[in-house]
Amino acid sequence: AQSVTQLDSQVPVFEEAPVELRCNYSSSVSVYLFWYVQYPNQGLQLLLKYLSGSTLVESINGFEAEFNKSQTSFHLRKPSVHISDTAEYFCAVSAGGSQGNLIFGKGTKLSVKP
Amino acid sequence: DGGITQSPKYLFRKEGQNVTLSCEQNLNHDAMYWYRQDPGQGLRLIYYSQIVNDFQKGDIAEGYSVSREKKESFPLTVTSAQKNPTAFYLCASARGTGEGEQYFGPGTRLTVT
Repeated sequence: AQSVTQLDSQVPVFEEAPVELRCNYSSSVSVYLFWYVQYPNQGLQLLLKYLSGSTLVESINGFEAEFNKSQTSFHLRKPSVHISDTAEYFCAVSAGGSQGNLIFGKGTKLSVKP
Repeated sequence: DGGITQSPKYLFRKEGQNVTLSCEQNLNHDAMYWYRQDPGQGLRLIYYSQIVNDFQKGDIAEGYSVSREKKESFPLTVTSAQKNPTAFYLCASARGTGEGEQYFGPGTRLTVT
């Protein structure tokens, strides 16, 4: 069975500082990995995904995540955060196949302060 | 524009009443999902459907029911048997090709008093 652990439930950071949101997963098979972002009272939006190929994936708004198979991690990073990045971030894993169900972590609330 | 709609955004009901949450998608996706979100708990899968006229229980199906009579629609009924129905409910859809990427609706916040 797969599982996802987001190591920090809350991450406060000052504007323009770097941030890393940690995600570890467990799975006995190859996986697909996702980061979603949720703004208050809204649905989830896909931020970035790893399906195959390059282990470093990037989003259009400056976030990046690196798939590390040996450490079973998919940490999310941004070198300089904005107030508008304040949101909850969810890491998710899928084993693919005919089911393709996502397993979500419990989320990390990123709070960017001026 | 293609996407997923959930209605209403906010829903209030009295305890003991059944309530149905709407989810519609025009993405031509085969798979659809219902999740429940509570603070600090992440997303928990209630039901999912890979194809029309077929659906499976997720991790917390007790007290809920669904139907999938049309490809674009996947309504969720919260029955009076659900002991703690107040929550934020999210619907999602996916192509069903196995990669797992899901697209989410805006959610419905249900309050039962």
